Amino acid sequence: GDQVEQSPSALSLHEGTGSALRCNFTTTMRAVQWFRKNSRGSLINLFYLASGTKENGRLKSAFDSKERYSTLHIRDAQLEDSGTYFCAADPNAYKVIFGKGTHLHVLP
Amino acid sequence: DPKIIQKPKYLVAVTGSEKILICEQYLGHNAMYWYRQSAKKPLEFMFSYSYQKLMDNQTASSRFQPQSSKKNHLDLQITALKPDDSATYFCASSQDRSQNTLYFGAGTRLSVL
Repeated sequence: GDQVEQSPSALSLHEGTGSALRCNFTTTMRAVQWFRKNSRGSLINLFYLASGTKENGRLKSAFDSKERYSTLHIRDAQLEDSGTYFCAADPNAYKVIFGKGTHLHVLP
Repeated sequence: DPKIIQKPKYLVAVTGSEKILICEQYLGHNAMYWYRQSAKKPLEFMFSYSYQKLMDNQTASSRFQPQSSKKNHLDLQITALKPDDSATYFCASSQDRSQNTLYFGAGTRLSVL
């Protein structure tokens, strides 16, 4: 079936550094979304992309539908960026499927 | 103020019983969804509704039945509960099919004993 493969499953970064999370898709997706789980366990939407790139502060996301992947870049990581990040993608207009998440730990 | 309200926050049920999970959204959205997250599994798509009509269904069991009495409500009725149904159930909504940025509720954590 349709799958979203997210990597890495866990990531440790020192404050001030950066890295990228990636999702590969087994089929062509209409759009991708990136979420972060907050301290109360709620999912907060970071980005929605149908194509191209978007940037918001220290976060930048890209989506290539043809090549079937999306990335989330974090730069100048801060302690408060620690948490679990999820990508999700739309194989059709009425379904959004999720990756397994990346546990990010920002170290002092 | 939460714009997507799920009730109850926690729910304990006995095997074989029936429960209804409530979801209301005050975002003016036309599409609503149910997801389930079991321990150590990714968030799993269950149902999507648009204008109170079922659009997609990934759940194999007929024990799970969404109910939409109003456009901004999508409750989830679960019958003949099993211990394997224990999970956190998340409701979400989006504007419509052309822009389905998802907004999530806080979830209902169901434990079936």
